[in-house]
Amino acid sequence: GAGVSQSPSNKVTEKGKDVELRCDPISGHTALYWYRQSLGQGLEFLIYFQGNSAPDKSGLPSDRFSAERTGGSVSTLTIQRTQQEDSAVYLCASSRTAIYEQYFGPGTRLTVT
Amino acid sequence: AQTVTQSQPEMSVQEAETVTLSCTYDTSESDYYLFWYKQPPSRQMILVIRQEAYKQQNATENRFSVNFQKAAKSFSLKISDSQLGDAAMYFCAYRSAGAGGTSYGKLTFGQGTILTVHP
Repeated sequence: GAGVSQSPSNKVTEKGKDVELRCDPISGHTALYWYRQSLGQGLEFLIYFQGNSAPDKSGLPSDRFSAERTGGSVSTLTIQRTQQEDSAVYLCASSRTAIYEQYFGPGTRLTVT
Repeated sequence: AQTVTQSQPEMSVQEAETVTLSCTYDTSESDYYLFWYKQPPSRQMILVIRQEAYKQQNATENRFSVNFQKAAKSFSLKISDSQLGDAAMYFCAYRSAGAGGTSYGKLTFGQGTILTVHP
């Protein structure tokens, strides 16, 4: 079956603009995770969804970051007023439920100029 | 909070040889899972192998095996008969096994080790 997909693959934006990153999980997977991969910070957890609710938002670095998930499927990560330090690869992963293995998407490379 | 440390930023191996990647972790939990993920240049993270902390037997997947030392909090990955396709960044990751917590399922990653395979 289809894996986790993310769009766009690459995004270049100007400092101060808002961006939306999309994640389509594997069909039937109820758990969804966002991670950020950057040179300085490595791979860090951002947010976890179980269904449409987000019991763990502890990794969101600031209030400029938000995420939602609708219909227990697609998730959108929004970054408002982007800063250069937001430049990173944003990875999405899904799993059948939280106890099962996570399958990752190919990521979105965000570059803030 | 749990931490995962990979002390080898880069490793190299000759094709067909064996290489071991190191990982240590710190946790106060007794039940957890450990993983090795591979990230090739395509950026797609691929699960290589997983180990349940309650199992004493080391996990094996074809050419990949782990040496899990729970008391020492060490979790190394051995790649046998290395192939050119094994070249990638390898991440060690930790996940709590506790059910119902808000961080349930969250992976904590090490810094990664870049593996180069020479023909």
